[in-house]
Amino acid sequence: DVKVTQSSRYLVKRTGEKVFLECVQDMDHENMFWYRQDPGLGLRLIYFSYDVKMKEKGDIPEGYSVSREKKERFSLILESASTNQTSMYLCASTGTGGSYEQYFGPGTRLTVT
Amino acid sequence: GIQVEQSPPDLILQEGANSTLRCNFSDSVNNLQWFHQNPWGQLINLFYIPSGTKQNGRLSATTVATERYSLLYISSSQTTDSGVYFCAVSQAGTALIFGKGTTLSVSS
Repeated sequence: DVKVTQSSRYLVKRTGEKVFLECVQDMDHENMFWYRQDPGLGLRLIYFSYDVKMKEKGDIPEGYSVSREKKERFSLILESASTNQTSMYLCASTGTGGSYEQYFGPGTRLTVT
Repeated sequence: GIQVEQSPPDLILQEGANSTLRCNFSDSVNNLQWFHQNPWGQLINLFYIPSGTKQNGRLSATTVATERYSLLYISSSQTTDSGVYFCAVSQAGTALIFGKGTTLSVSS
């Protein structure tokens, strides 16, 4: 079974802190994604990566950066957390040959106070 | 970009009833998935179904790619089926585009 894990289920941070959200997948997938989910706005793409050290901005990249040093790990970084980044963050991965099925981690519910 | 529309937005059922959820999409896709979001927020994969029909227990799904729609059938619904059901599509490994979801409430 494909497994996508995220470093924390719940996280509380203060405004201005630097925050790291980690995501690891065990299926040798090339593509990895970070989404955020907010009531009334649905799921929106923040960043994605199609290979090690490669990244592309999604729909709402402002205030975020990412890092992919190893194929299995994709990190989302909030450089200076703000209250409007309080949200549910979901990581996903997919392969590029044959099946394009995307698998999600359990999510991190981040609160910035 | 591709638009995904789900209907109905809300559905209230008695336990044991059957239901059909619909997903329309505006362009050809390589990937169509149905998810159930559990109370803790995790997206559970129900079906990967870019075309054809699949069944898994009380759930089944059909995608008619040429007409750009998919249907999710839930038979003999149970209270544990409650939650939000999402349809999402993508092209060739790109990011998923989600519909707004159908919120299902099943009462005993």
